[in-house]
Amino acid sequence: GAVVSQHPSWVICKSGTSVKIECRSLDFQATTMFWYRQFPKQSLMLMATSNEGSKATYEQGVEKDKFLINHASLTLSTLTVTSAHPEDSSFYICSARVSGQGEHFGSGTRLTVV
Amino acid sequence: QQQVKQSPQSLIVQKGGISIINCAYENTAFDYFPWYQQFPGKGPALLIAIRPDVSEKKEGRFTISFNKSAKQFSLHIMDSQPGDSATYFCAASKAAGNKLTFGGGTRVLVKP
Repeated sequence: GAVVSQHPSWVICKSGTSVKIECRSLDFQATTMFWYRQFPKQSLMLMATSNEGSKATYEQGVEKDKFLINHASLTLSTLTVTSAHPEDSSFYICSARVSGQGEHFGSGTRLTVV
Repeated sequence: QQQVKQSPQSLIVQKGGISIINCAYENTAFDYFPWYQQFPGKGPALLIAIRPDVSEKKEGRFTISFNKSAKQFSLHIMDSQPGDSATYFCAASKAAGNKLTFGGGTRVLVKP
């Protein structure tokens, strides 16, 4: 149980375009999901907390207009990287809170902006 | 401010040996301490977690030791196998489900 599915696993996009990443909880309902960014050989950096039915809470330094988060249902949160630039290239990972079990992570999305 | 400090950054161990990773935290409000294993190109997977009311927790070959007074906790991987080669992250939160603060990670290589 507690499977978190993330799609796509990798994406290449042109500079200036937008990219949407989906995070789904497959066998449970997730009122809270988290979005992380990870650079090579570094730790996970929390970008934002996504709450179902309300606005996301962004960490300091994260541009909310650039990284749009939508959590419209109890099983789906999306992260849209708008007007992507090469510096946005990174590994993006979502996670979902499971009651009594802590956080379970998706498999990540490798974004490359060319 | 790095609230969870993890060491060493990398570790090489022979097959069958013991891998030991240490973490120290600063925030005494933390009360949930999980360990995650991450393979290249994949998301982290929860290995084992502990709360401060116990000093040790064991699951299979993985053991967490917790020292509340020293604000330190460690992961021991017994009988290390090449398949254990991965990056390990400790983390802490104020409760299971609140946002996690991660350590810097330890890359473990188990040599056959």
